[in-house]
Amino acid sequence: GNSVTQMEGPVTLSEEAFLTINCTYTATGYPSLFWYVQYPGEGLQLLLKATKADDKGSNKGFEATYRKETTSFHLEKGSVQVSDSAVYFCALSGTEGGGSNYKLTFGKGTLLTVNP
Amino acid sequence: DAGVIQSPRHEVTEMGQEVTLRCKPISGHDYLFWYRQTMMRGLELLIYFNNNVPIDDSGMPEDRFSAKMPNASFSTLKIQPSEPRDSAVYFCASSLGAKSNIQYFGAGTRLSVL
Repeated sequence: GNSVTQMEGPVTLSEEAFLTINCTYTATGYPSLFWYVQYPGEGLQLLLKATKADDKGSNKGFEATYRKETTSFHLEKGSVQVSDSAVYFCALSGTEGGGSNYKLTFGKGTLLTVNP
Repeated sequence: DAGVIQSPRHEVTEMGQEVTLRCKPISGHDYLFWYRQTMMRGLELLIYFNNNVPIDDSGMPEDRFSAKMPNASFSTLKIQPSEPRDSAVYFCASSLGAKSNIQYFGAGTRLSVL
């Protein structure tokens, strides 16, 4: 079945540092890939997505590129802020066809803390 | 739209009691998902519905868990009887399915079973 592996946390950075959170996946077919963010006490919200190979998703200074050859979708940001402190989840859509295409498989999440 | 609405936000109950969690999806969304989040197991998909019909309940941990969607604007997740190991944050999410597989999450219900 499909699976997502993302780097274990927690990750602690100083403000304005460069961020990378690694994500690799295993899937049959051609899934869509997502990064979701969860701020303390809230539900998950979409950060960015990519639907096909070589697509780059971007939002709020975050970027991730769909790399089919390495089955990866690493999250990057050039300069993090204290307000970016949250848990980040990598996810992929189903590929088995039918309604299963609309369910998501999530990684375990990576806690990011940014210090001033 | 107000987004996905879950109630209650917090629930504290005693072992053996029945617990009902509620969810109102975004209007027009035809897929609804229930998840459970714990530190140990991360985010687990319990069950999902399409047009009010359960499609896959393979993630429901035991017969003590049941979910219904009587209409397009309401779903419940029931645990009877509850046990301390059911303590977790339960999320509901909805999506447009074929039009967009982006899922929109509610704020969650934090359940504590004593």
